[in-house]
Amino acid sequence: DIVMTQTPLSSPVTLGQPASISCRSSQSLVHSDGNTYLSWLHQRPGQSPRLLIYKTSNRFSGVPDRFSGSGAGTDFTLKISRVEAEDVGIYYCMQATQFPRTFGQGTKVEIK
Amino acid sequence: QVQLVESGGGVVQPGRSLTLSCTASGFTFSSAGMNWVRQVPGKGLEWVAVIWYDGSKKLYADSLKGRFTISRDNSKNTLYLRMNSLRAEDTAIYYCARDSHSVRFDYWGQGTLVTVSS
Repeated sequence: DIVMTQTPLSSPVTLGQPASISCRSSQSLVHSDGNTYLSWLHQRPGQSPRLLIYKTSNRFSGVPDRFSGSGAGTDFTLKISRVEAEDVGIYYCMQATQFPRTFGQGTKVEIK
Repeated sequence: QVQLVESGGGVVQPGRSLTLSCTASGFTFSSAGMNWVRQVPGKGLEWVAVIWYDGSKKLYADSLKGRFTISRDNSKNTLYLRMNSLRAEDTAIYYCARDSHSVRFDYWGQGTLVTVSS
């Protein structure tokens, strides 16, 4: 199984300041079709996860442009350019290149 | 708009069975792969199973050891998860999530809580 490792696990941030989360996979996430199926999910307290970024760097429908994804191979990053109050919650990276699908442990983002 | 609504959760005794449902609307259900993902309250996400758009292929997490069965009825726009021989460690919120043609896990339901307890 591909192990997904996120850092940090907790990130206190100041409103309006940037935030960054890293995700490393134990194997390359490049699929045989050439795509890299690395996604980022956001889960607010008491809610279900929602997709933010897919295939490393594509923002999903309705996701604000302050969110961006980057990376390749085994190293990936989610950046929030200016954190807003609604961005609190837990962020997960996940891979859908291989079965079983696997998730990172989650990074809790909270406001200082 | 895309909607996924899970149902069927509740309290069940260890060793018993339970079937969850996920009713889809707002898209062509028969064209989408579907997943089940679970989350112990306060913990991380665990992928459970996937079924191909036409039901032709099903894959499961190894940890389930044949106790769970995923299925679908495209005429009813509904996804199912049959869970047998339930254990305390199966206690979790169960979510269904869609795989579209090029985007995996693009929409999620609100989840249904399963509590396995005597």
